[in-house]
Amino acid sequence: RKEVEQDPGPFNVPEGATVAFNCTYSNSASQSFFWYRQDCRKEPKLLMSVYSSGNEDGRFTAQLNRASQYISLLIRDSKLSDSATYLCAVRGGSQGNLIFGKGTKLSVKP
Amino acid sequence: NAGVTQTPKFRILKIGQSMTLQCTQDMNHNYMYWYRQDPGMGLKLIYYSVGAGITDKGEVPNGYNVSRSTTEDFPLRLELAAPSQTSVYFCASSLDTVYGYTFGSGTRLTVV
Repeated sequence: RKEVEQDPGPFNVPEGATVAFNCTYSNSASQSFFWYRQDCRKEPKLLMSVYSSGNEDGRFTAQLNRASQYISLLIRDSKLSDSATYLCAVRGGSQGNLIFGKGTKLSVKP
Repeated sequence: NAGVTQTPKFRILKIGQSMTLQCTQDMNHNYMYWYRQDPGMGLKLIYYSVGAGITDKGEVPNGYNVSRSTTEDFPLRLELAAPSQTSVYFCASSLDTVYGYTFGSGTRLTVV
């Protein structure tokens, strides 16, 4: 099992749709989890941290399921501007480094 | 507040040439990282540093070297460039191991 795995997509959804991404991780001792957004030919930007109790930021909701070792990102009321690649990151290296998934590509259509 | 600054943004190297990718941050972060990103392959950690004077290898260190003489700067050195080093290189920093990373805008390197 790879350390951090994501469905590469692409997810093609209409504006206004709700879309969810999952990310599985292999290290049960991982303590920190994040979602990043990366636009084409740009750097990854931190979208949100993922807390044990789940957290919400506007249209975005992140959840952690430790028992099944996955994190999720839910986007409600999708906008055209949400089109990007979404990377999950799990802190799990020997020095506590972040390990990134390969990303899930989202395309929101009019 | 500039965050993490990388230079150059683009570079074309010939096989066998050397170059240094510059990275500086003004957030007083202790931790700094170098990643490379190839299409469809995700971010791979090259080297990282937990503070001035301390560096360690990541997942793909071969062909690269780093130094960390100050908190602010973390240059990445490519010796004897090879086509396999064609990639996008990102520098990142974080305050400690709890927080996420802040990335620089990247350096697109092509080795021909």
